[in-house]
Amino acid sequence: QLQLQESGPGLVKPSETLSLTCTVAGDSISDSNYNWGWLRQTPGKGLEWIGDIYYSGSTYYNPSLKSRVTISVDTSKNRFSLRLSSVTAADTAVYYCARRVDFWSFYYDYWGRGTLVTVSS
Amino acid sequence: DVQMTQSPSSLSASVGDRVTITCRASQSISTYLNWYQQKPGKAPKLLIYAASSLQTGVPSRFSGSGSGTDFTLTITTLQPEDFASYYCQQGYSTPYTFGQGTKLEIK
Repeated sequence: QLQLQESGPGLVKPSETLSLTCTVAGDSISDSNYNWGWLRQTPGKGLEWIGDIYYSGSTYYNPSLKSRVTISVDTSKNRFSLRLSSVTAADTAVYYCARRVDFWSFYYDYWGRGTLVTVSS
Repeated sequence: DVQMTQSPSSLSASVGDRVTITCRASQSISTYLNWYQQKPGKAPKLLIYAASSLQTGVPSRFSGSGSGTDFTLTITTLQPEDFASYYCQQGYSTPYTFGQGTKLEIK
């Protein structure tokens, strides 16, 4: 059974960089059939796609966040990471990592439990 | 960006009812439409992909239809565990976007 687990600080100061890691268990992140993604959810904006990464390192970012986002992959540790720079209170959200499937559509079939990140001084 | 609009935003129904949730895209997305269920404090769960394909393990009382810009999620014979929020997501073009959600509540 595939499992994804987000980890990282739950509190980040304004203007600093948010860093999260998603550890994948039960499947190889190098499986060529999948991409791996980050999404977030706020009460105000709802669910928002942040970006995806393929095991080779190819990335796809939401243009609204692209200038501040970096997603990277570590195949040796079967995990991928998110960095979001220059955060503000608007970046306070529950952050999810998920597996993306490209089969007749592009969708997320397995999700982590999510981690709340609060931006506050 | 493709804008996704769901209706209604909330819905009250009873166990055993049939309910339909609608999702409209701001441009044609063929059948690149997915549906998720989310319960409080939990991650979204994939129900339907490619407009009408049932994800493995999802009960057959859930079904999806539509193409182009208009899509529906139907739940026949509502069960107590179906009371949750539902979201559509377009997988046609990046940035992938979600509807604002429909909260299904017990009447």
